[in-house]
Amino acid sequence: DGGITQSPKYLFRKEGQNVTLSCEQNLNHDAMYWYRQDPGQGLRLIYYSQIVNDFQKGDIAEGYSVSREKKESFPLTVTSAQKNPTAFYLCASSIVGDSYNEQFFGPGTRLTVL
Amino acid sequence: GQQLNQSPQSMFIQEGEDVSMNCTSSSIFNTWLWYKQDPGEGPVLLIALYKAGELTSNGRLTAQFGITRKDSFLNISASIPSDVGIYFCAGRAAGNKLTFGGGTRVLVKP
Repeated sequence: DGGITQSPKYLFRKEGQNVTLSCEQNLNHDAMYWYRQDPGQGLRLIYYSQIVNDFQKGDIAEGYSVSREKKESFPLTVTSAQKNPTAFYLCASSIVGDSYNEQFFGPGTRLTVL
Repeated sequence: GQQLNQSPQSMFIQEGEDVSMNCTSSSIFNTWLWYKQDPGEGPVLLIALYKAGELTSNGRLTAQFGITRKDSFLNISASIPSDVGIYFCAGRAAGNKLTFGGGTRVLVKP
């Protein structure tokens, strides 16, 4: 089945540690995105990528880093510089274009900093 | 940056009722999307709108792209218990970036 997978579903980290969240898609989409969601809030864009080996900062990129070495994969690293990393992280993908470029989401990873 | 105001923030539904929610923006959008999110899961796309004035249905859901391109609404007819969740609107102005509303939390009347 085509879709987006994120792993792990739950992640715990000690303060001061970097952690990497996985996102893989087999939809053959060129664009991939990372969002952060806090309780009772909407989604805020962290980073996005429209093509392999290229990515752009979103609205809240500080304390995060990404890579896009393969079309199918867009891992997100939450660094120790992120001051409040506990949140629900969502990955999405889409085609690139002016129409029919709906974003489809993965199941999310809940990160808790202890 | 662009902002979407989504209302109401929350609502209670009784089975069989019709409910409505909307999003407004100070900026023009070229695309409006409506998503539903269940607790602990990723949002699922419900309806996509690409033309001003467009009215689109998906089962009991109906959404419209406002003629001014600055608003959109979503209606749910004959609500059922599984309609409970958080509904998000999202708008796209240019490129592929989306701006999300704050969500409407739909709850069941006690």
